[in-house]
Amino acid sequence: AQTVTQSQPEMSVQEAETVTLSCTYDTSENNYYLFWYKQPPSRQMILVIRQEAYKQQNATENRFSVNFQKAAKSFSLKISDSQLGDTAMYFCAFMNYGGATNKLIFGTGTLLAVQP
Amino acid sequence: DTGVSQDPRHKITKRGQNVTFRCDPISEHNRLYWYRQTLGQGPEFLTYFQNEAQLEKSRLLSDRFSAERPKGSFSTLEIQRTEQGDSAMYLCASSLGQVDSPLHFGNGTRLTVT
Repeated sequence: AQTVTQSQPEMSVQEAETVTLSCTYDTSENNYYLFWYKQPPSRQMILVIRQEAYKQQNATENRFSVNFQKAAKSFSLKISDSQLGDTAMYFCAFMNYGGATNKLIFGTGTLLAVQP
Repeated sequence: DTGVSQDPRHKITKRGQNVTFRCDPISEHNRLYWYRQTLGQGPEFLTYFQNEAQLEKSRLLSDRFSAERPKGSFSTLEIQRTEQGDSAMYLCASSLGQVDSPLHFGNGTRLTVT
């Protein structure tokens, strides 16, 4: 069974600075996707960024980038130039490629507070 | 694209009562998921539909839980004889049929069992 671990329950960063959120996962699969989702106080989950395991290049979406280390089963999220609107719960998630359901397996989340 | 809609937003019920939640996915999304999220935890998978067929159920989904998607569009999740441990946020998500299609989540239904 796949598991996702986020070891940082809470983090804080000053506005305009950079912060990195950690995520590790465990799987015996070789083909999978990894995701970071953001859940603001309004509670709707929003996809931030995703990474295909077969791609060596780290994904980037504007101020958000990942550091994907497949051998170490590590998938961290870097947020550059942090903004107040980045304050949210961040979830790391795993999806088995080619699985019948494409269900997501989530970590427990990291609550990020961006301080003015 | 109006997004995934869930109703109601909040539900307070007494232990032992039955409750039903509704999810309207994004149109043309044939995959629909239900998740449960408790405080301080990530969402946990409950069940999955492809069109009207329920293809997977988590062992978390006890016999008191039932989900339907009768016409392959909206879905309902019913909890019978609610227990205090059922208190949680129930999230619905939908996606297109492609393997790499992202999941789009609704705002959730917050259930409180007193």
